[in-house]
Amino acid sequence: GAVVSQHPSWVICKSGTSVKIECRSLDFQATTMFWYRQFPKQSLMLMATSNEGSKATYEQGVEKDKFLINHASLTLSTLTVTSAHPEDSSFYICSAPPGTSGLSETQYFGPGTRLLVL
Amino acid sequence: AQSVTQPDIHITVSEGASLELRCNYSYGATPYLFWYVQSPGQGLQLLLKYFSGDTLVQGIKGFEAEFKRSQSSFNLRKPSVHWSDAAEYFCAVGATGFQKLVFGTGTRLLVSP
Repeated sequence: GAVVSQHPSWVICKSGTSVKIECRSLDFQATTMFWYRQFPKQSLMLMATSNEGSKATYEQGVEKDKFLINHASLTLSTLTVTSAHPEDSSFYICSAPPGTSGLSETQYFGPGTRLLVL
Repeated sequence: AQSVTQPDIHITVSEGASLELRCNYSYGATPYLFWYVQSPGQGLQLLLKYFSGDTLVQGIKGFEAEFKRSQSSFNLRKPSVHWSDAAEYFCAVGATGFQKLVFGTGTRLLVSP
């Protein structure tokens, strides 16, 4: 099946630094990708929709200046956590529905990136 | 707004026994419903989905789910659980379509020998 990768799989950083997380669709193109955040023992919460060639759409309550999203190509979306603080520590997951029509019923999830901010 | 409730945080089932994981949703229109499984180090994997039609949906790995509109439920079942089924299971509903998903809090399945 289709594969979505994330890099890095885990990262530890100091408070105040920025961290970039990559999400790649390895064998398909995706106009749209989604970024989720998962707290321990909690559900996945949608943070934003990443759109290739245009601005990301953020869910209510998500700071767009804090979580910068860039969808530079049809196979790559990046999430940058700027000036990270300990409360940003979490598990970040991306997903990608194949295609460019926005009509794909299936989407594939990356394995997630665990961020720990000290 | 859409919401999903998975009332069971943990469930322990003996290997070979049957399984039912509960999911209730809140949505004003016909929902797009999904069950995903999350294993450590792996991305969420789609087990099955319901969009319309037959309310009993067959999925991968021997799982099935039944959509009951009157009860706003989409419970996941498997007749005989295998040790490899131990994982976290998430029910989700499609928000404004079927791509933006609202997830339940998950049910962790433990399989005892």
